Amino acid sequence: AQKITQTQPGMFVQEKEAVTLDCTYDTSDPSYGLFWYKQPSSGEMIFLIYQGSYDQQNATEGRYSLNFQKARKSANLVISASQLGDSAMYFCAMREFSGGSNYKLTFGKGTLLTVNP
Amino acid sequence: NAGVTQTPKFQVLKTGQSMTLQCAQDMNHEYMSWYRQDPGMGLRLIHYSVGAGITDQGEVPNGYNVSRSTTEDFPLRLLSAAPSQTSVYFCASSYDAGGDGYTFGSGTRLTVV
Repeated sequence: AQKITQTQPGMFVQEKEAVTLDCTYDTSDPSYGLFWYKQPSSGEMIFLIYQGSYDQQNATEGRYSLNFQKARKSANLVISASQLGDSAMYFCAMREFSGGSNYKLTFGKGTLLTVNP
Repeated sequence: NAGVTQTPKFQVLKTGQSMTLQCAQDMNHEYMSWYRQDPGMGLRLIHYSVGAGITDQGEVPNGYNVSRSTTEDFPLRLLSAAPSQTSVYFCASSYDAGGDGYTFGSGTRLTVV
């Protein structure tokens, strides 16, 4: 079974509108972390936002917010007021304990967001 | 600037050749890792290290070796390159393995012909 599932291979949004990118996860680790990364066409991986499993509040970073629904095991990324520069691939990732003192960061397959003018 | 430095940025190898992808960080991070990115597959973990002298296998370790002799460096070795190893390789580091932020290098695009 996949640890991280991103069901939207591609998404389109009009400039200035909000968009939600879906992410569901599966883990038995009670102390996990969830991340979103942006990968523009230039290829670098840019950290956007982090949510810890025990965090009571949804994480926010500027125009990015993470809609964390723990019971549903979902961690959707919401981008408000989309900009043309938001066009990129977006990856959801989960950090979970993997034994000893080790942790693993596992990625979903990504969602390609296109912002239309 | 502080960060994760990967070299080279691009490399073409012939099948059977060996090479080392370099990764260095100057943030005193304990945790370092290598991923490969293939179309439609996301990023998959190859090897990781929780500190100098300690390494472990990730999801797709076959064909790759690593070592961690210093906190700063975490090289990835391809002993006998195969076309299936054509990919983009990313190195990432974090203050510790259970941290809330992982910094990625800019990637190495490797082609094996």
